[in-house]
Amino acid sequence: GAVVSQHPSWVICKSGTSVKIECRSLDFQATTMFWYRQFPKQSLMLMATSNEGSKATYEQGVEKDKFLINHASLTLSTLTVTSAHPEDSSFYICSAKDRSNTGELFFGEGSRLTVL
Amino acid sequence: SQELEQSPQSLIVQEGKNLTINCTSSKTLYGLYWYKQKYGEGLIFLMMLQKGGEEKSHEKITAKLDEKKQQSSLHITASQPSHAGIYLCGAVGAGGTSYGKLTFGQGTILTVHP
Repeated sequence: GAVVSQHPSWVICKSGTSVKIECRSLDFQATTMFWYRQFPKQSLMLMATSNEGSKATYEQGVEKDKFLINHASLTLSTLTVTSAHPEDSSFYICSAKDRSNTGELFFGEGSRLTVL
Repeated sequence: SQELEQSPQSLIVQEGKNLTINCTSSKTLYGLYWYKQKYGEGLIFLMMLQKGGEEKSHEKITAKLDEKKQQSSLHITASQPSHAGIYLCGAVGAGGTSYGKLTFGQGTILTVHP
């Protein structure tokens, strides 16, 4: 089946630094990718919709200057957490929609960010 | 925006028992997904339902979509400890600013005691 790869799977960084998380669709092209955030014992919260070749669409309450999203190709979207702080520590998951498929979404394995 | 409410929020059952998890939408469902997750890990795709009245099964898990009620149910027969985890329903928005977005219910934490 289709595979979405996220990298890194976990990252620890110092407060104030920026961290980039990659989401790649390995065997299909994805015009749309979604970024989610998940806190312990909570569900996934949609942060933004990443559209290839255009600006990302952010959900209400999500700071676009804090969470920079770039979707430069049909197989890669990146999420950069800028000037990370401990409250940004979370589990981030991306999903990608196969442009040739009618509905199925494929999820990455997630990236755990810990900001010290 | 579309909101999904799952019930129950948590469930503890004895191995071998049947159980049902419900997912109710605030708007019409055009596509409903069920996923299983262990926190800190990726999502495991279980089923996708698109048509009203549709029912799908995989091993001991059955999901139904009642489009009229804007509701879906996930039923596990003869539960096993391996079924334990967080079950999430997700729905795709059909129009406006929600178009194409997959949003999730708050999840149901399932514990199965051997």
